[in-house]
Amino acid sequence: KAGVTQTPRYLIKTRGQQVTLSCSPISGHRSVSWYQQTPGQGLQFLFEYFSETQRNKGNFPGRFSGRQFSNSRSEMNVSTLELGDSALYLCASSLGLGFLGNEQFFGPGTRLTVL
Amino acid sequence: GEDVEQSLFLSVREGDSSVINCTYTDSSSTYLYWYKQEPGAGLQLLTYIFSNMDMKQDQRLTVLLNKKDKHLSLRIADTQTGDSAIYFCAETGGSYIPTFGRGTSLIVHP
Repeated sequence: KAGVTQTPRYLIKTRGQQVTLSCSPISGHRSVSWYQQTPGQGLQFLFEYFSETQRNKGNFPGRFSGRQFSNSRSEMNVSTLELGDSALYLCASSLGLGFLGNEQFFGPGTRLTVL
Repeated sequence: GEDVEQSLFLSVREGDSSVINCTYTDSSSTYLYWYKQEPGAGLQLLTYIFSNMDMKQDQRLTVLLNKKDKHLSLRIADTQTGDSAIYFCAETGGSYIPTFGRGTSLIVHP
């Protein structure tokens, strides 16, 4: 069974631009969660989508948004990029909703660099 | 908000046991997790423990939970060079949102 895939793997943008990252979950998984990983803040939860609806949201500004399609694929968008948005963005999929008792399978991440 | 603390580095010799420690503040933690991250990869779930357990063993991995002290540890027996990675402790409490530690870099010397 194919794992979680994320595209692109690497991305370089400049301040003020916007970016869209993509995540394809494991076949049959309906939940997709997004995380931001930085050296300064560590790993932080962004949001979770289940059946095309955002179900949980972390403490990030409205510039960070996402969506999920009917095939469970998810996209994450960051508008008006700031230098501090440089990070590894990880996507994880699971069968059920939420972290509690549901094993999440992580993709390799998209490394975003903002210049 | 809730917090999860881990030491940043641990260095061990191949064949020795490794013990990675984690403390958390959320008294309503339900599940506690250990993840492994290798260079260039995402996180891989190693094991998890439910808060009403105090120990879980899975092959070379032993998880100990002291709920009173809010202390979680991961012991890796017979540590191999392939175990070199960053290990993250995480917990979920009453909400669905997980809190992760900063990660412990385990370095295994031959």
